[in-house]
Amino acid sequence: GAGVSQSPSNKVTEKGKDVELRCDPISGHTALYWYRQSLGQGLEFLIYFQGNSAPDKSGLPSDRFSAERTGGSVSTLTIQRTQQEDSAVYLCASSLLGFNTGELFFGEGSRLTVL
Amino acid sequence: GENVEQHPSTLSVQEGDSAVIKCTYSDSASNYFPWYKQELGKRPQLIIDIRSNVGEKKDQRIAVTLNKTAKHFSLHITETQPEDSAVYFCAASIGRQAGTALIFGKGTTLSVSS
Repeated sequence: GAGVSQSPSNKVTEKGKDVELRCDPISGHTALYWYRQSLGQGLEFLIYFQGNSAPDKSGLPSDRFSAERTGGSVSTLTIQRTQQEDSAVYLCASSLLGFNTGELFFGEGSRLTVL
Repeated sequence: GENVEQHPSTLSVQEGDSAVIKCTYSDSASNYFPWYKQELGKRPQLIIDIRSNVGEKKDQRIAVTLNKTAKHFSLHITETQPEDSAVYFCAASIGRQAGTALIFGKGTTLSVSS
């Protein structure tokens, strides 16, 4: 596609359920990032992939969060046993190389609401 | 603690005035400092960036300055227009456990009234 694609755009779930958020980066972009944006807050770094490997997972808020990337393309962010504080917009971004080489292109985000 | 601090959190100006947003960072090894603009309901988009070997960069009405010694950088918007109204985020490359990550400030909501 022409841009970073995320799905679902909106997800409402009940506390305790698992959710999966998907990110399809721009074709050819080797770096992929996940950020979380809560209401009135900044962009909280979660995890970063270079190819299929994630050199830094320390941004993940708890062990309920995990992410993977396969084939150097699509990434999935999984939240297990969701809690109300997980409610936020989850933004994915990709860049041609690492971010130090230039622009991050963001997706529209997946808005997660945990009831 | 926070790696990137951004001030002010809100800024209101009259059309035609200048706006300045300031950020500080903690990692002396940081070498990349982008600014993103996020309009209401839209995704963040890069508006300007600066690297550590440059002290200032300008693009039309937008400029960014960097003071590596003091570890702060600023966004300057001149002749503001209503369409400049948005949330602006600064970011810096911050060293972490393994490699570096692009860490964002909490954002500045800029309102330009006509």
